[in-house]
Formats: sequence, structure tokens, C-alpha cells
Amino acid sequence: DGGITQSPKYLFRKEGQNVTLSCEQNLNHDAMYWYRQDPGQGLRLIYYSQIVNDFQKGDIAEGYSVSREKKESFPLTVTSAQKNPTAFYLCASSKGSWSGHNEQFFGPGTRLTVL
Amino acid sequence: AQSVTQLDSQVPVFEEAPVELRCNYSSSVSVYLFWYVQYPNQGLQLLLKYLSGSTLVKGINGFEAEFNKSQTSFHLRKPSVHISDTAEYFCAGLNTGTASKLTFGTGTRLQVTL
Repeated sequence: DGGITQSPKYLFRKEGQNVTLSCEQNLNHDAMYWYRQDPGQGLRLIYYSQIVNDFQKGDIAEGYSVSREKKESFPLTVTSAQKNPTAFYLCASSKGSWSGHNEQFFGPGTRLTVL
Repeated sequence: AQSVTQLDSQVPVFEEAPVELRCNYSSSVSVYLFWYVQYPNQGLQLLLKYLSGSTLVKGINGFEAEFNKSQTSFHLRKPSVHISDTAEYFCAGLNTGTASKLTFGTGTRLQVTL
């Protein structure tokens, strides 16, 4: 079955540590996205990539980094510079970017907790 | 800039009753509009979308929404809800121009009880 996988489902991190969240898709989509979800705030865009080896900052990129070396993979690193990293992180992908005809498909999410 | 507002953070409703979840948008340009559903600890699933044409859009699970340009609204409705409809619902908008990002509302928690 085609889809998006995110791992791990739950992640615990000590303050001051970097951590990398995995996102893999087998939908052959060009565009991939990372969102952060906090209670009562909806989804906020962290980074997005329209094509391999290219990515752009979203609305809340500070303290995060990404890479897009392969079409199917878009890992997100939460660095120690992110002041409030505890949140639910969602990865998404679409055929192309930012078009009403390109539906975004979402992964199941990773819940990150900083201890 | 575009914004999407969901006026109700929570909507309690009894099973088999009708429900309306409200969404308003503000944009100086044409928009595409979407409703997504999120079940606990899961990702988002597209319910329906409005791109153009008929203002009444039908989606999955018996949901529908009506695009109202004069009132800048895109309210989601279901004539009879089920316990399994309990979830978080997000309205989202996208300007039809290029290089525009998908903007999400803050979500409405639909709680269906017996």
C-alpha cells in the first residue's frame, strides 16, 4: 500500500539534545512538508521541499533543520536551539506543491516530548 | 495575506443530531478551501475540497460544505452524526496564485455523545 510513514510514533528527548524525526513516502510525490501541531493552534509549517535537493523555510523554521537527498525521504532534525520542542509533528507529501489539485497526504505523526 | 478562522474550539452534539462546524476565511484573492479530519494521535485525512464550480461540495463520511463568497465562509455540515465522527476538524485555505502556502485554522473538536 502506498502511504507515508513516520517514525518513531513517540519520542522522548533530554534538553540540549538534537533529535531526528523520520518521514518516508512511497507515493512518488515530488513535494514534502513538515508541520508542527500544538493544542489550540492548528498546524504550522516548519519546512517544505518541492523537489529533491531543495527546500525552503516555512513559518516557524528556527531551531529546525531538514535535508532532501532522496525523493522518498524528508527527515527533520529538532536541534537544541528550538526553545519549546514538545509537540506533535506531522509530515505530508503531495504530487506538486501549493495547488488545490495537489492534495496533501499526511503521515500518522510523531509525538516529541522533551524531559 | 490569507487567514482561516474556526470560530468554535469545541462542538458537543448528540448522536444522530445535525452538526455545523464554522469556517471563515479572509483573502484578497481567490482561494481553494479544504476540510480535514484528525482522529486522536493520527495524521490528517482530507474530507472535501472546494476548487471551483458548484458551491456545494460533498465529501467522505456523509459530510458536505458550502462555499459562500459573499460571507467568506466554508461551513462543514452533516445531517446526522455518529459516535465515530468524534474527532478534530481543520479548515484550510490556499490562495490560487503561485507560491502560496496552505493555511490552517485552529481546529474544532467535535464531541459526539449518546
